[in-house]
Amino acid sequence: AQSVSQHNHHVILSEAASLELGCNYSYGGTVNLFWYVQYPGQHLQLLLKYFSGDPLVKGIKGFEAEFIKSKFSFNLRKPSVQWSDTAEYFCAVKAASTGANSKLTFGKGITLSVRP
Amino acid sequence: DAGITQSPRHKVTETGTPVTLRCHQTENHRYMYWYRQDPGHGLRLIHYSYGVKDTDKGEVSDGYSVSRSKTEDFLLTLESATSSQTSVYFCATTGTENTGELFFGEGSRLTVL
Repeated sequence: AQSVSQHNHHVILSEAASLELGCNYSYGGTVNLFWYVQYPGQHLQLLLKYFSGDPLVKGIKGFEAEFIKSKFSFNLRKPSVQWSDTAEYFCAVKAASTGANSKLTFGKGITLSVRP
Repeated sequence: DAGITQSPRHKVTETGTPVTLRCHQTENHRYMYWYRQDPGHGLRLIHYSYGVKDTDKGEVSDGYSVSRSKTEDFLLTLESATSSQTSVYFCATTGTENTGELFFGEGSRLTVL
């Protein structure tokens, strides 16, 4: 079974600072990787995803993530955060197989607080 | 959005009472999931369904049961609620491709006193 590790629980930044949130996973096979975001009081929504191809993927709102297979990592980045990026961010991994037993596993989440 | 509605959105109940949460989707998605979200634990899978009458346990299934009699509805039942089941419950769906890209409902906040 796969697992996901997110290294920081709470990150506090000032507006315009750069952001990098770490995510490592453990699984020996091919994976699909995701970052989900949960704005205060809302449900989770997809920020970006990686299935195959270019390991640098771009998502909504200026976010990007890089898949480094050798490091089992999928770190999230944004060059300049805004106050509206304040949210909780979840990394998630799923084995690339499509069988019913192939399920998404979430990390514990990182709370990002951006000071205006 | 994948047309997912959860009901009730908020519920306060007492220990020992049964509770049923409903998830309804309009996208004809094959897979449906129930997660609970708790501070410090992220999202944990309770049960999931891969078709009508086809369900299986997730990592925190004790004390919960589910049913799926129609494609569009996935019910989560707490037979006898306990305070440890106070949480926010999210339903999610995905299509037949099962890529892992989930669509979430708005959540149901349950408080067990």
